Amino acid sequence: GQNIDQPTEMTATEGAIVQINCTYQTSGFNGLFWYQQHAGEAPTFLSYNVLDGLEEIGRFSSFLSRSKGYSYLLLKELQMKDSASYLCAVLDSNYQLIWGAGTKLIIKP
Amino acid sequence: ETGVTQTPRHLVMGMTNKKSLKCEQHLGHNAMYWYKQSAKKPLELMFVYSLEERVENNSVPSRFSPECPNSSHLFLHLHTLQPEDSALYLCASSHQTSGGSGANVLTFGAGSRLTVL
Repeated sequence: GQNIDQPTEMTATEGAIVQINCTYQTSGFNGLFWYQQHAGEAPTFLSYNVLDGLEEIGRFSSFLSRSKGYSYLLLKELQMKDSASYLCAVLDSNYQLIWGAGTKLIIKP
Repeated sequence: ETGVTQTPRHLVMGMTNKKSLKCEQHLGHNAMYWYKQSAKKPLELMFVYSLEERVENNSVPSRFSPECPNSSHLFLHLHTLQPEDSALYLCASSHQTSGGSGANVLTFGAGSRLTVL
């Protein structure tokens, strides 16, 4: 079956750096998405990776290794507003989105 | 505001009630989606409409009935629901490329929080 794994919850300190990992096992691969979802709000698009390597998105970066079935989202200079859930999703060979359960990130002062 | 608006934001209903969820998008997208989001579970795709035609059902129980009258509006009609149907129902839209392939970025609404008593 198809599976996306990411940690359920992480805690980090304001101003620090945190890395949220996502591993996947899917039938085929046509790219990986990261979305951010604040409590009670809509998920919003952060990044899309289809080739190996690092993509910079302001204070955030998303990394992909297709051979390892692995991605991470790196958040630098953490701010309180970064407290949210981060959703990883993979586009499989049929262009169907397979979602992880999300990682709830808690930022402490 | 994402450009995708869902109403109502909160809904409490009994198991014998009939209600509807509404979604409207002002982004010029040609595909719309219903997702179910339960705590600590992955998003579950329920229905997809592309160019107003339903293209995917994903074995959703018949107590959920979608309707897409035009490319800007999407409804989810609910009847005789069960308590386990309590969840956040998210609507999304995207620009669907020809043939349904492509990495389409989804724009979500804030969701309708449904509680079934």
